[in-house]
Amino acid sequence: SQTIHQWPATLVQPVGSPLSLECTVEGTSNPNLYWYRQAAGRGLQLLFYSVGIGQISSEVPQNLSASRPQDRQFILSSKKLLLSDSGFYLCAWSVGQRRGPQHFGDGTRLSIL
Amino acid sequence: AQKVTQAQTEISVVEKEDVTLDCVYETRDTTYYLFWYKQPPSGELVFLIRRNSFDEQNEISGRYSWNFQKSTSSFNFTITASQVVDSAVYFCALSEGSSGSARQLTFGSGTQLTVLP
Repeated sequence: SQTIHQWPATLVQPVGSPLSLECTVEGTSNPNLYWYRQAAGRGLQLLFYSVGIGQISSEVPQNLSASRPQDRQFILSSKKLLLSDSGFYLCAWSVGQRRGPQHFGDGTRLSIL
Repeated sequence: AQKVTQAQTEISVVEKEDVTLDCVYETRDTTYYLFWYKQPPSGELVFLIRRNSFDEQNEISGRYSWNFQKSTSSFNFTITASQVVDSAVYFCALSEGSSGSARQLTFGSGTQLTVLP
């Protein structure tokens, strides 16, 4: 069966520090991969999605970037964190060729001090 | 552009009551998909159901049921005989079918359901 792993679960970082959140999927090939942010107020905002290795689409301009170095690995990064980057970050995957449901990881709670 | 509205921000019910969570969507596509997700306090999003725009049959899964009505662009979710473990934030989401890159979901703002013992 497919599983998605996201880490770390919680992270506290100072303003201006770099960020790297990692997400890996097991049990499926060529998944679509997504990064979402859930800020206070619960709204879920799509940040990036990827349909294949090295293919990244950005939904909103921001301080963050994403990379997909391997088929089942999706990384969210920042060179310098801002206070506004605080939030709950969720990685998700879906089946590549069909409009299947998205399945989410456990999320990372990021607090910027 | 697609949009999902969950007008109910918070709902509180007493255990064993039935509760309906509303979802209204907007899309210009004739082919689209609707979803419901549950987010318990632990934070992860749990997939509950997917429905495509050509299937208006209502669905029941245990205590959960969904009422899809294209005429009113609604996809409401009912929990029968609610339990404390149903307490969570519930999200409705929409994915359009015609756009080549539209594998992304548009989420509603969520409804916080609290079931009191």
